[in-house]
Amino acid sequence: AQKVTQAQTEISVVEKEDVTLDCVYETRDTTYYLFWYKQPPSGELVFLIRRNSFDEQNEISGRYSWNFQKSTSSFNFTITASQVVDSAVYFCALRGMNSGGYQKVTFGTGTKLQVIP
Amino acid sequence: DGGITQSPKYLFRKEGQNVTLSCEQNLNHDAMYWYRQDPGQGLRLIYYSQIVNDFQKGDIAEGYSVSREKKESFPLTVTSAQKNPTAFYLCASRSGEDSPLHFGNGTRLTVT
Repeated sequence: AQKVTQAQTEISVVEKEDVTLDCVYETRDTTYYLFWYKQPPSGELVFLIRRNSFDEQNEISGRYSWNFQKSTSSFNFTITASQVVDSAVYFCALRGMNSGGYQKVTFGTGTKLQVIP
Repeated sequence: DGGITQSPKYLFRKEGQNVTLSCEQNLNHDAMYWYRQDPGQGLRLIYYSQIVNDFQKGDIAEGYSVSREKKESFPLTVTSAQKNPTAFYLCASRSGEDSPLHFGNGTRLTVT
């Protein structure tokens, strides 16, 4: 069984602060993908990043960075110098690839980030 | 621009009525999905289809039905058998095995 835990339900930060969103996952698959999605108030989920289980290199994209650590089964997301436009619900997701047939995507319950001006 | 279109954005129905939510994509994706989102519960998979004329139940298929007669379209019917139909419904598609999901804007269904 797969599981994704986002323990932080809601986070509030003041604009320009850095913030880290935590994601812990469980899977028996040795090959899997991890994802982060952003859901702004409009409702559509926007894909941010995909990571496969064989690539533990951290990634930086502008103000966004991701820290993938297999040893702790975590895939944390950091926003540097947060802006009001970052306010959204962020979802971490996992897709196992070992079971064959349909590989289910399991989503966490999401973290609501509010950036206060 | 390619994308996924869900309509309508807001839908209101009386209890006991069936209602169909539309999902159309012009991304030429084979796989399509329906998710339900409730506050504090993340996204739960209702149905998915990996190819035309084929679909499979997800984790919470009871009270729902789908069809996949065309590659571009994957409508979801919420039947009167669904006990708690009020929710936000998201349609998604995917191009390949390791590709991320692309989502529509969602339909918020309220049943009273």
